[in-house]
Order: sequence, then structure tokens, then C-alpha cells
Amino acid sequence: EVQLVQSGAEVKKPGESLKISCKGSGYSFTSYWIGWVRQMPGKGLEWMGIIYPGDSDTRYSPSFQGQVTISADKSISTAYLQWSSLKASDTAMYYCARLGDVQNWFDPWGQGTLVTVSS
Amino acid sequence: QSVLTQPPSVSGAPGQRVTISCTGSSSNIGAGYDVHWYQQLPGTAPKLLIYGNSNRPSGVPDRFSGSKSGTSASLAISGLQAEDEADYYCQSYDSSLSGSVVFGGGTKLTVL
Repeated sequence: EVQLVQSGAEVKKPGESLKISCKGSGYSFTSYWIGWVRQMPGKGLEWMGIIYPGDSDTRYSPSFQGQVTISADKSISTAYLQWSSLKASDTAMYYCARLGDVQNWFDPWGQGTLVTVSS
Repeated sequence: QSVLTQPPSVSGAPGQRVTISCTGSSSNIGAGYDVHWYQQLPGTAPKLLIYGNSNRPSGVPDRFSGSKSGTSASLAISGLQAEDEADYYCQSYDSSLSGSVVFGGGTKLTVL
């Protein structure tokens, strides 16, 4: 079974750093893109960026370029989303999802990681 | 402001048919890029509902169908059931931004 399992919920203070993870299993991790999607409370889905673990080719949404870092460690089939200095406005649910090609669909999705940033 | 435009809400009675539109432009849907649809039930992760404009993944009932024409796409749900109450999102690719995935703003379906 193809599966993406994300790391658990996080509670952080403004200015702190954070790295959340997404572990793939049941398929060739290096042959598919992994995307990250933000969903702020009560809002819609926002594409943040994608990474191809096979060669680490990474593309960011203009809205998130410079705000987050996407990376992957293919040796452990895991992708990451990282912040160097969190803001309260980063409070959201973050999903990872597999993408066959940049023009394709996301399937499956991880269960989501809730990030809460509050002083 | 999403690149793809969806109505914020639609509603229908059990057994009825509803459609959800997804309007794009010449740099995404109108350029020939496929449209995909997702269903997000309350408190859960999105789930792929339709891919490649009109294809259903295994396990998705044939009450759900998708179509695309010009710069727009539509999701139709027939024989509405209470369990269909959810948020629905369209997604495509936009060539005006480098490697850009684009989502619609989402549509809340209420089953009356």
C-alpha cells in the first residue's frame, strides 16, 4: 500500500525553528514528486512547493519562496518542510502528498501535521 | 485570490444532482492542462476524487463525474447523499509561473 506518514503536531513560539517530516512507503520514493500544501484554519488549500527526491529538484510557489525550505533524504524515504523563524501566521495544517509529474494529481495524501505558533 | 475560481458554496437535497465549476484562464485550464478534483471531509485530509479531467480512481462511486471545456471544468455529483457533504477543490497546472501547481478556492457542499 502506498502511504505517506507525517510527523506529529507541533506547538512552537514565534521566532523558533521547526522541521516537519513526511515518510513515504510502498513505492519507489525517488521516482515521484512530493508536494507540500498549507491549509490555514477554516481556509482552502495552498500549494507551497514540490521536490523530486531522485535529484532534489525543488520548486516553490512564489507565495512561499524564501519563507520555507523543502528538502528530502532519499536514503530514508523522507521529505521535509522547514522554517527558520516561525510566525503566528504559520499556524496551519500542513499536508504532504505524492505527485506523479508536475502536471499530475496528488495521491495519496499524508494525514497532516498541525503546527501551532503562539507566544 | 485563487488562480482557479470556484463558487464558495453549493447545496442540494438528497437524490438531487449538483455541479461545481472551476474557472481558469489561458495559462492553465485553457492551455490544455488537466484538472483534478479532491474531496475533503470534515477533519480529514483531502482525497483524490477525479484525475485527468474525468477519470475516477478505484473506489470512487460513479455518482461523481468530471468534465472540462475551454478554460473551465466541472464536477458533477448525482444522487446526492448525506455523506457527500464536504469541501471540494479543483487543481491544475499553470504555465505562467515556474513549476506552478494551482488550486481552486474550494466549494462547500451542503446536503439539505
